[in-house]
Amino acid sequence: RKEVEQDPGPFNVPEGATVAFNCTYSNSASQSFFWYRQDCRKEPKLLMSVYSSGNEDGRFTAQLNRASQYISLLIRDSKLSDSATYLCVVNKGGSYIPTFGRGTSLIVHP
Amino acid sequence: EPEVTQTPSHQVTQMGQEVILRCVPISNHLYFYWYRQILGQKVEFLVSFYNNEISEKSEIFDDQFSVERPDGSNFTLKIRSTKLEDSAMYFCASSIQTGNNSPLHFGNGTRLTVT
Repeated sequence: RKEVEQDPGPFNVPEGATVAFNCTYSNSASQSFFWYRQDCRKEPKLLMSVYSSGNEDGRFTAQLNRASQYISLLIRDSKLSDSATYLCVVNKGGSYIPTFGRGTSLIVHP
Repeated sequence: EPEVTQTPSHQVTQMGQEVILRCVPISNHLYFYWYRQILGQKVEFLVSFYNNEISEKSEIFDDQFSVERPDGSNFTLKIRSTKLEDSAMYFCASSIQTGNNSPLHFGNGTRLTVT
């Protein structure tokens, strides 16, 4: 099983849609979780950290399920500018090194 | 907002040549990282650096690679004898500490092309 696994997509949705991405991780000792966004040929940029109780930032909601070892990202009211690759990032258990998933591609169309 | 800066933005080199990629992390950050991303693939960890020494490294970071913090601001990645498969985007990142309260801040990257 890969350390951090994501559905590569692409997810192709109309403006205004709600879309959800999941990510699973293999190491139950992992402690830190993030979602990053990466535009084509650009650097990853932090979207949000993911906390045990779940957290929200505007249209974005992140959830963590430790028992099932997955995290999710929900985007409400999608905008054209949300089109990007969304990277799930998990610190390796026993280490603070962030490990990246392959990313899920989102395309929001008019 | 402070940012991580990387130079050059694009480096073309011939196989077997040495390259040095440069990074200036955010000034009050203590942890420094190099990642790489081969075109179309995921972002892969290379090495982390703290307190003037390597704290962790991946299997990719073999004897051909080295890192250095030659002064108080620069953080460099050297590839001694480049191979075709070293062609990738190299990202430098820094963080103030580790854990959920301290995500990585990435530079714009250096695109390395080995011919």
